[in-house]
Amino acid sequence: DAKTTQPTSMDCAEGRAANLPCNHSTISGNEYVYWYRQIHSQGPQYIIHGLKNNETNEMASLIITEDRKSSTLILPHATLRDTAVYYCIATEYNNNDMRFGAGTRLTVKP
Amino acid sequence: GAGVSQTPSNKVTEKGKYVELRCDPISGHTALYWYRQSLGQGPEFLIYFQGTGAADDSGLPNDRFFAVRPEGSVSTLKIQRTERGDSAVYLCASSLIAGGGELFFGEGSRLTVL
Repeated sequence: DAKTTQPTSMDCAEGRAANLPCNHSTISGNEYVYWYRQIHSQGPQYIIHGLKNNETNEMASLIITEDRKSSTLILPHATLRDTAVYYCIATEYNNNDMRFGAGTRLTVKP
Repeated sequence: GAGVSQTPSNKVTEKGKYVELRCDPISGHTALYWYRQSLGQGPEFLIYFQGTGAADDSGLPNDRFFAVRPEGSVSTLKIQRTERGDSAVYLCASSLIAGGGELFFGEGSRLTVL
């Protein structure tokens, strides 16, 4: 897995967009970027993944830079329930040992 | 059930005792994973099963840890001679196919070794 770097913590106002950055400057061509989140006292939850194109689903959008060295997870209208630790992982699609770092603790404030 | 089920949700034991943690994956999921999470840290990979066989056990910390999945469904993580440093939340995840990235996690079993 390529090393990823994320800020330790971030705050966001309720109703505003939360933009969570991730640096993965050593990512290789066949490694995808995955995002998971973990709400307190729960197991991690898959959010989204992408290779080089931007992706969007019902939970979030993933923007990957053209050089693929960084990405941003966007929660378009953050709610209090989005308060969680967000993990960015760069790994091959068929890799079976997803490696989690420390993630970014996002706090959504009213 | 609809999701990954783990039992017990909490286990308190004494140093030196034997512990078993159970994981019931989502029906039809062929791949099963065990992770360990210490306070303030991300989940740490332990072992991965494809069907009945342990395809990758490189994350098991030492030979006190062992996991089985005899029928390719339910899995048991076994810890012998528990130590205080084994205290953590043990997470189980399953996925429909090997790899593919979308793991479905249970809520974990919190182990406390006194």
